[in-house]
Amino acid sequence: SQQGEEDPQALSIQEGENATMNCSYKTSINNLQWYRQNSGRGLVHLILIRSNEREKHSGRLRVTLDTSKKSSSLLITASRAADTASYFCARVYNQGGKLIFGQGTELSVKP
Amino acid sequence: DTGVSQDPRHKITKRGQNVTFRCDPISEHNRLYWYRQTLGQGPEFLTYFQNEAQLEKSRLLSDRFSAERPKGSFSTLEIQRTEQGDSAMYLCASGDGTSVVETQYFGPGTRLLVL
Repeated sequence: SQQGEEDPQALSIQEGENATMNCSYKTSINNLQWYRQNSGRGLVHLILIRSNEREKHSGRLRVTLDTSKKSSSLLITASRAADTASYFCARVYNQGGKLIFGQGTELSVKP
Repeated sequence: DTGVSQDPRHKITKRGQNVTFRCDPISEHNRLYWYRQTLGQGPEFLTYFQNEAQLEKSRLLSDRFSAERPKGSFSTLEIQRTEQGDSAMYLCASGDGTSVVETQYFGPGTRLLVL
């Protein structure tokens, strides 16, 4: 079963707006990762945030992590139609390397 | 192209038939993972290899499923006596296994439809 929950399940916005997706998890983490999936390029790694970090930026992406609340958020600023995809948070399960994914947020950016 | 490749990209089979999928990881990566993804869900872990050793298998991996990585390079995932519930996208990923902060690189997946 999945160990992460994402909210919202679906999000529709206009191009240029910001999109925020949230992820909650149940157990402690070493790091949390965000992935994007679309039909054209498969599952692509976006950003990793370690448990001792609170915020991380990569281009138009901003990820925050609150380990006390066991939650993370992904913010995409100035969204583009090409950002239309499903976004997943994933955590590493113990030390084994395998990823535990949430069910994802389906983002639609309308031109 | 030096990314992860999977073959075939699509497979349609009849219930009860056996199917085999292949994954070629990024050449210098020693870890290889298999995941399964159904519609509207995130990928679920099936199994992973460190070089040729299969280190972990999910309970999702029933006796009908077997995976191999004989020379520590490419891997195969075989499903015997397929059932309609096996219909899903099968994803392969590879990583360098250097630490728990490794990035996993995913292939395009094999979409299986069992009729």
